[in-house]
Amino acid sequence: IAGITQAPTSQILAAGRRMTLRCTQDMRHNAMYWYRQDLGLGLRLIHYSNTAGTTGKGEVPDGYSVSRANTDDFPLTLASAVPSQTSVYFCASSDSDRDIQYFGAGTRLSVL
Amino acid sequence: GQNIDQPTEMTATEGAIVQINCTYQTSGFNGLFWYQQHAGEAPTFLSYNVLDGLEEKGRFSSFLSRSKGYSYLLLKELQMKDSASYLCAGMDSNYQLIWGAGTKLIIKP
Repeated sequence: IAGITQAPTSQILAAGRRMTLRCTQDMRHNAMYWYRQDLGLGLRLIHYSNTAGTTGKGEVPDGYSVSRANTDDFPLTLASAVPSQTSVYFCASSDSDRDIQYFGAGTRLSVL
Repeated sequence: GQNIDQPTEMTATEGAIVQINCTYQTSGFNGLFWYQQHAGEAPTFLSYNVLDGLEEKGRFSSFLSRSKGYSYLLLKELQMKDSASYLCAGMDSNYQLIWGAGTKLIIKP
């Protein structure tokens, strides 16, 4: 059982470039989430989706967009990366919006 | 505002017991979660409390007091592999998790 797969594992990106972080789950979970984790701060929610076809904004959505075309995939796009988006990005999923969240291994992104 | 407070770092000895405290303020309350995160890895679920009291799961227990906005995670018979960060998260009225910055637990032999 793979669970949640994120790609790439790590990336160095020039400022101004566009980047899509991929997230796929095989648990048929309805809800999916994108968080960023920065040193000294708690996980912060960027965007979420409670079911395929719907998305919502979290605490720090600016500069990011998501789509949820099907149950399994929830890509996160940085349209024009800036250095402040340097972070570790975690994708998570849960059966519903009130259930335990399961996390992918993360993508470490550096924007220079 | 919403806020989760937990100590930044704690040190304990192998074989001992440690209690990691967490206080929370959320808009509405739909439960308190504890996750474990080893360095460079993903958070993994440990426990969930929505009612007052103690939930025990092997060496790990979690306690909740809703009236005090307080929870703790109790780890018994500490092992070196328990060295990790422990994340406290409160679920608000919109079913979104509000996360603390995590407590780094260092286990010494």
